Formats: sequence, C-alpha cells, structure tokens
Amino acid sequence: QVQLVESGGGVVQPGRSLRLSCAASGFTFSSYGMHWVRQAPGKGLEWVAFIRYDTNNYYADTVKGRFTVSRDNSKNTLYLQMNSLRAEDTAVYYCAKNGGGPYYYQISGLDYWGQGTLVTVSS
Amino acid sequence: DIQMTQSPSSLSASVGDRVTITCQASQDISNYLNWYQQKPGKAPKVLIYDASNLETGVPSRFSGSGSGTDFTFTISSLQPEDIATYYCQQYDSLLLTFGGGTKVEIK
Repeated sequence: QVQLVESGGGVVQPGRSLRLSCAASGFTFSSYGMHWVRQAPGKGLEWVAFIRYDTNNYYADTVKGRFTVSRDNSKNTLYLQMNSLRAEDTAVYYCAKNGGGPYYYQISGLDYWGQGTLVTVSS
Repeated sequence: DIQMTQSPSSLSASVGDRVTITCQASQDISNYLNWYQQKPGKAPKVLIYDASNLETGVPSRFSGSGSGTDFTFTISSLQPEDIATYYCQQYDSLLLTFGGGTKVEIK
C-alpha cells in the first residue's frame, strides 16, 4: 500500500534553512507528481509546492523564491528545501501524492498523504 | 489565484442528521474539486474527487455535487465517527487552493 513518511522537521531560528524529506513506497514514485502542503497550528490547509514526474515545479506565492521542491527517484524520496525561514512558516508539513494515473500531466487532487512533520521557526 | 469560500466554518448536529457544507469558487473550476476529511492530529483523507465521485472505501453516506463555481458536500446521516474538519480543494489552477474548512461537531 502507498506509504509516505516525512522527516526533517524541528525548531529553527528565523532566517535559517531546513530540508524536509518524504520517503515514498507502495507505488512507482518516479511516475507521479508530488505535493507539499502545510498547516499552521490551529489553522487550515495551505498548498505549498508541486513537482511533476518530469520535475517541472510550481510554488505558492508565499514561498516562491525561498523554498525549492526536488525529488530523487533513485531513492523514492521527495524533498523540500526551505531557506530564509520566517515565523509564519511554522506548521506541520505534509507530503502528498498527486491523483490521476502514472505520468498524469495535470495537477490534481491529493490522493495519499503522509503523517506530517512539524517545523517551528522561533528564536 | 482561485479563492474557495467554504461555509459554514463550524456546525453542530445530532447523530442521524443530514449535514450540508457548501464551497464556492471565485471562478469556474468545472468539476476539479476534492473534499477531504481531517480528524484531530491526523492527515487529511480524500472522500470525494472530481466533485461527485466517492473514493473507494468511503461510506456511501458521504456525497458531493456541483460544477462550475458552486459545490455541496453532504453527510446523509451523521455518525459519531464523522467528527472532523472538512475541506474543499480546487485543482483547476496550477496553484491549488483549499477552502477554510468546516468543523463538524455532535450536538
């Protein structure tokens, strides 16, 4: 079955960097687009970034220029490099699989989610 | 960006009640809409995809309808295990957006 396991969260000072990882299993990782979604404490869901199977990527305006999504298909792992972190980036970060079949070109709904990893930006 | 306006933000209903949540898009999104359920401390789970299709394994008391800009999510008979926050999400645009969520509680 599909499993997504995030790691790399923690406490970081404002202005510093952090890299999140998402280990995928149970499906052909290289054939699917992947997303990052975050949720600030007590708040709703906010989409962060998408990387397609062909590595084209898209970002929310709130993180564009600071965050970079990437993937290593040989390791079945998704990454989110977060630079210039701000207090407002404090959230649980989820990775999620794009819906649709393999090599689905379009961005779609999110059909499987990981359990999330908490990032706290604080001095 | 496409804005998703979800209402109500919270509701309280009795077991067995019919519950309805609405979601309005700021522009036509065809049927590119999902509904998710999120229980406290857990990741969201997709219930409805493409506005009206029930995800495999999801109880039939959940349903979705609508297209264009106006969408509805319904629980036909509320059960205690349905206590959660529900979100709509559009994927017509390359920039995905979620509704603000509806917290469902038992009266």
